[in-house]
Amino acid sequence: SQTIHQWPATLVQPVGSPLSLECTVEGTSNPNLYWYRQAAGRGLQLLFYSVGIGQISSEVPQNLSASRPQDRQFILSSKKLLLSDSGFYLCAWSVLSGGYNEQFFGPGTRLTVL
Amino acid sequence: RKEVEQDPGPFNVPEGATVAFNCTYSNSASQSFFWYRQDCRKEPKLLMSVYSSGNEDGRFTAQLNRASQYISLLIRDSKLSDSATYLCVVNKGDAGGTSYGKLTFGQGTILTVHP
Repeated sequence: SQTIHQWPATLVQPVGSPLSLECTVEGTSNPNLYWYRQAAGRGLQLLFYSVGIGQISSEVPQNLSASRPQDRQFILSSKKLLLSDSGFYLCAWSVLSGGYNEQFFGPGTRLTVL
Repeated sequence: RKEVEQDPGPFNVPEGATVAFNCTYSNSASQSFFWYRQDCRKEPKLLMSVYSSGNEDGRFTAQLNRASQYISLLIRDSKLSDSATYLCVVNKGDAGGTSYGKLTFGQGTILTVHP
């Protein structure tokens, strides 16, 4: 069965510090991978998606970047965090099946920028 | 207008009640539809995909009306464990019909089931 891991689970960082969040998927090959952010009291917003190694598409302009160095690894980074980067960061994977692209989420990283 | 709109609730219902959630979407080119549930401070979990003919999974029934751009979720015989936020989710695909699974989430409807 497929599993998705994210770490760390929680993170408190000062403004201006760098960020690296990691996501790995097991039990599937060539998945689509996604990074979402959920700010407090708000809906999920798609940040990046990737259909393959080294292929990254950004959905919104922001202070963050993403990379996919391996098929089942997706990394979210920032060189200098802003207060507005605080939120719940969720990684998801999907495989197209029968025309439906069902997505499955990791446990998330709760980031607080102070 | 938001791409996906839901009544935020909260809905407070007794155990055993039937409750219905509605959702509308603005992009007529949307291709696939889902309901997720999210428990407090947890990740969203797929509850069910919504098919054109409507579908049922135990106590849960989902309906899709493409003409009205409307999706619904019906929960029968509510349980305490059904308390969560229910997210209506739409995949609009890309120009040319390619779908990379870029989902748009509604704000969610909060459900509380009480004894």
